[in-house]
Amino acid sequence: SAVISQKPSRDICQRGTSLTIQCQVDSQVTMMFWYRQQPGQSLTLIATANQGSEATYESGFVIDKFPISRPNLTFSTLTVSNMSPEDSSIYLCSVAGSNQPQHFGDGTRLSIL
Amino acid sequence: QKEVEQNSGPLSVPEGAIASLNCTYSDRGSQSFFWYRQYSGKSPELIMFIYSNGDKEDGRFTAQLNKASQYVSLLIRDSQPSDSATYLCAVNGNFGNEKLTFGTGTRLTIIP
Repeated sequence: SAVISQKPSRDICQRGTSLTIQCQVDSQVTMMFWYRQQPGQSLTLIATANQGSEATYESGFVIDKFPISRPNLTFSTLTVSNMSPEDSSIYLCSVAGSNQPQHFGDGTRLSIL
Repeated sequence: QKEVEQNSGPLSVPEGAIASLNCTYSDRGSQSFFWYRQYSGKSPELIMFIYSNGDKEDGRFTAQLNKASQYVSLLIRDSQPSDSATYLCAVNGNFGNEKLTFGTGTRLTIIP
């Protein structure tokens, strides 16, 4: 399966600031997704990152809060904007090739003070 | 809205025994079913997937799917302490190409 590098692995941020998380894959993949895992909870999909077009957001997530880019088939970014303590979470990138199951990066552990 | 349900546990199983993890889903159109293992502080790791009714075996792991009952399970034979983790059931409508809907996960503890 593809090797997924997610950066940063963790960060502590001040409220009101923004953080951009990067997801780099070592091969071209069809699909890239961004998930959130709040403490003690399961995974919730934020959006599907579409190559060359706007991301597709799930209910409860909006582009102004979580802008996403995907300039090519191996790279995507998720920005968490105007952060508040409620945004403290693990953010996970996953990728899938054509007819392949999803695999996850190591995640970004984000704490907001 | 698609829902995936799992018993949150914790499920405690003696070492060497069979661990049985269960998952039900609400969307009859679901096509693909996945089991991920998540160790504390780590990201989910895919361990099994299945999309046809019946059993699929891989080493000590067996996934079982019953689409008529909307039920998928994971059996772990000869359980080891290293199997202690949270097991997440995930479902989607088309293999790999659609978003996954996750269950809340079952926390499994293997007792030495």
